[in-house]
Amino acid sequence: GIQVEQSPPDLILQEGANSTLRCNFSDSVNNLQWFHQNPWGQLINLFYIPSGTKQNGRLSATTVATERYSLLYISSSQTTDSGVYFCAVGSGGGADGLTFGKGTHLIIQP
Amino acid sequence: GAVVSQHPSRVICKSGTSVKIECRSLDFQATTMFWYRQFPKQSLMLMATSNEGSKATYEQGVEKDKFLINHASLTLSTLTVTSAHPEDSSFYICSATPLARETQYFGPGTRLLVL
Repeated sequence: GIQVEQSPPDLILQEGANSTLRCNFSDSVNNLQWFHQNPWGQLINLFYIPSGTKQNGRLSATTVATERYSLLYISSSQTTDSGVYFCAVGSGGGADGLTFGKGTHLIIQP
Repeated sequence: GAVVSQHPSRVICKSGTSVKIECRSLDFQATTMFWYRQFPKQSLMLMATSNEGSKATYEQGVEKDKFLINHASLTLSTLTVTSAHPEDSSFYICSATPLARETQYFGPGTRLLVL
């Protein structure tokens, strides 16, 4: 099956810093989503981005499908950004389950 | 929009009992729902794909007789953990994709503890 690798596994930053999280995948995908898992376990949808670039406030994401990677950018980090960020991919659109990476554990210190 | 709920949010049961977890799409219909499992400090693993009106498709290594899935309507899927044992203790999360869309939306999860 498809492999998903996320880096870095852990990241500690000061409030106000910028960060870049990376997701590499081993095969072509039709679905790529970024999530933030909050301390209670809820997965918050950040982006659906199988290709191209999107922005939502301080967050933006870029997927280069031909090179099989995606990047999540967080600017001006806040302590509430802390948590685990997951990249998940699928090859069959909405009818297929997602394969998740191991996540990046982000800690934003005040 | 695109809200998915799960019930119960947490359950503690004795070894050998069965536990049913409900997953509902509150404001959309979904022909396909998914069930994932997450162990502490690990990633999510897909367990099965639940299709309305037909049998579920299980991932390799997931026992279909232990994890019974029923997708009775376009807004409800249930996962029953039969004869639960301590090793089944985990965080179970469902997701659903609105009709004609590709984004998956996740429920808040159910924490199962089997004593």
